[in-house]
Amino acid sequence: NAGVTQTPKFQVLKTGQSMTLQCAQDMNHEYMSWYRQDPGMGLRLIHYSVGAGITDQGEVPNGYNVSRSTTEDFPLRLLSAAPSQTSVYFCASREGQPIYNEQFFGPGTRLTVL
Amino acid sequence: AQSVTQLGSHVSVSEGALVLLRCNYSSSVPPYLFWYVQYPNQGLQLLLKYTSAATLVKGINGFEAEFKKSETSFHLTKPSAHMSDAAEYFCAVSEVTGNQFYFGTGTSLTVIP
Repeated sequence: NAGVTQTPKFQVLKTGQSMTLQCAQDMNHEYMSWYRQDPGMGLRLIHYSVGAGITDQGEVPNGYNVSRSTTEDFPLRLLSAAPSQTSVYFCASREGQPIYNEQFFGPGTRLTVL
Repeated sequence: AQSVTQLGSHVSVSEGALVLLRCNYSSSVPPYLFWYVQYPNQGLQLLLKYTSAATLVKGINGFEAEFKKSETSFHLTKPSAHMSDAAEYFCAVSEVTGNQFYFGTGTSLTVIP
């Protein structure tokens, strides 16, 4: 049981490049989410999904796309990276209901956009 | 939208002293409340949560928090700090309905030997 895994751990991009951050969980959790963590800002919700084929926007969705084709995977896409997207990205998952179920977090991806 | 305020971005305590980390939320309806801990270069781990049952909630590693509706607070305490408690602590809130989750800005706890 690996829990929540994220790849890559580190990534450096140039402005305008695109990339996909991978997230996978092996706990059969319905709910998955992406956060970004910035100094002094805490964690902010980017996008979330309540099940395969269902996604919704969080607090800071601009510049990011997501899809959920399987229960296990929830990739985050940056179509045209900007320096403002330099951050640490965390993926999390939990059982769907009730909503106060514990969220399990991945180890994070540290992204730098030059 | 919900919001969470953590007073004090940095807190230092001596080993063996009381730990008190403050969290206030803004909501007219009591939400669900959480405390998470983050050790360096790691993801977040749940310490405890309030789900409208008992107002005094006990968590892992000797931490506890008390929900006070009149003060809209959910402060985290531990009677005696250990060196291993040094970490970043986040208060978080979710609405009773919906799937949005809001974190505070975090409090970095330093434990002085």
